[in-house]
Order: sequence, then C-alpha cells, then structure tokens
Amino acid sequence: NAGVTQTPKFRVLKTGQSMTLLCAQDMNHEYMYWYRQDPGMGLRLIHYSVGEGTTAKGEVPDGYNVSRLKKQNFLLGLESAAPSQTSVYFCASSPGTGRFLNYGYTFGSGTRLTVV
Amino acid sequence: AQRVTQPEKLLSVFKGAPVELKCNYSYSGSPELFWYVQYSRQRLQLLLRHISRESIKGFTADLNKGETSFHLKKPFAQEEDSAMYYCALSGPRGRGGSNYKLTFGKGTLLTVNP
Repeated sequence: NAGVTQTPKFRVLKTGQSMTLLCAQDMNHEYMYWYRQDPGMGLRLIHYSVGEGTTAKGEVPDGYNVSRLKKQNFLLGLESAAPSQTSVYFCASSPGTGRFLNYGYTFGSGTRLTVV
Repeated sequence: AQRVTQPEKLLSVFKGAPVELKCNYSYSGSPELFWYVQYSRQRLQLLLRHISRESIKGFTADLNKGETSFHLKKPFAQEEDSAMYYCALSGPRGRGGSNYKLTFGKGTLLTVNP
C-alpha cells in the first residue's frame, strides 16, 4: 500500500553535478508527473508522462530530462545542476481512464534538493 | 491559457472562527477544480473535488461558474487545519494527458490560532 514513493528524500549537490530522482508508483496509474515547489510560486509542472515510453514538457522543463521506461517508474534527471534548481520536487500519478478519472493526483512525499 | 489565482498568501484566524480561502480561475470551457492540503513538511493530499460535492473535515467548496471561483470554506476553524492549501484546475474528462495536467495556484498558508 505504498502509493507513490520518491527517492532520495534529501540531497545536496554541487553546481555542475548530475543526479537522478526516482519516482515509483504501485497503483497501475497511466499518468505520472514531476512538479517543483518553490516558496511563493506554488507547484509548477516540469515534465509529465501519459504512459510507458512517453514523456512531454510541462511549464518549466529547462535543465531537466525524464524517462518512463517502465509504467511504474518515472525518472527525473538533472544533467548539470544549478543553484536555481534548489527546490522541493514532487512526483504524482493519476489514472488515465476509467471511473477513477477525477480522483485527483496521488503525490509522493517529496525530495528536498539543495544545489550549492 | 488556464490560470488559478489564490489572492491571499497568508490567512490567520482564531480557533472557532469561520474561514474562507479564495480561489479564482481562468479557463475557456468546463474545468475540474480541486483543493489540495499540505500539512507541515508532508505530501500534498487531495481535500476536495468539485465534481463530488463532498464535505471533508468540515470543509466545503462550491464552484461558481459565473464568478469563476471555487472558494474553500469552513464554519469553525480548528488548530489542526493549519496548513498550506492549494487550489488546482484541470481540463474536463477525456483521453490524453493534457486534460489531466493540474495547474496549481500559489497557495494560501492558513494559520489557526488558539
């Protein structure tokens, strides 16, 4: 009954380093999303996926890449971290079809990333 | 373009007082509206969906299409209601991920004082 699991929970990176954030869901959801949460900015969509093997850009995609090789996993990559990417990152998933369409998103617990 | 506006960054009330968190939206069509709550350093949780017309933890929200608003209300605030509240909007039902991208407001931090 895990829902959406994000790893790691915390990370400190130096400018220019790379890392990958992992999101895993066990609800067989079709759609998955990556958001970043910044004070006074709310949540902004980075990338999303409507199914295995598909990805699309959201509102703030620059500096990030994603992959959805397996339906249950959605990876967010930072190739060359910058201080502007210091944020809390949330992954979410939602059903694609069926009677649970409008039950909203299920969110992970977040990854707090600091880039120094 | 779809947009969600929460005009108050901060809202402070006393325990037992009524509370109203404002949400206005911009969308050409019939959107789906949601309220999410985030308690201190926890994940976001779905609080309400306009489509279900439900009341959760004493909160209600009515979609007013004429005023394009979806304000969240509770008649008697409790200390445990202190949290960040986000109003969110998505497109109507249908296939395709774009109809399920949630656009969030910037949030309102509610503090209920004893």
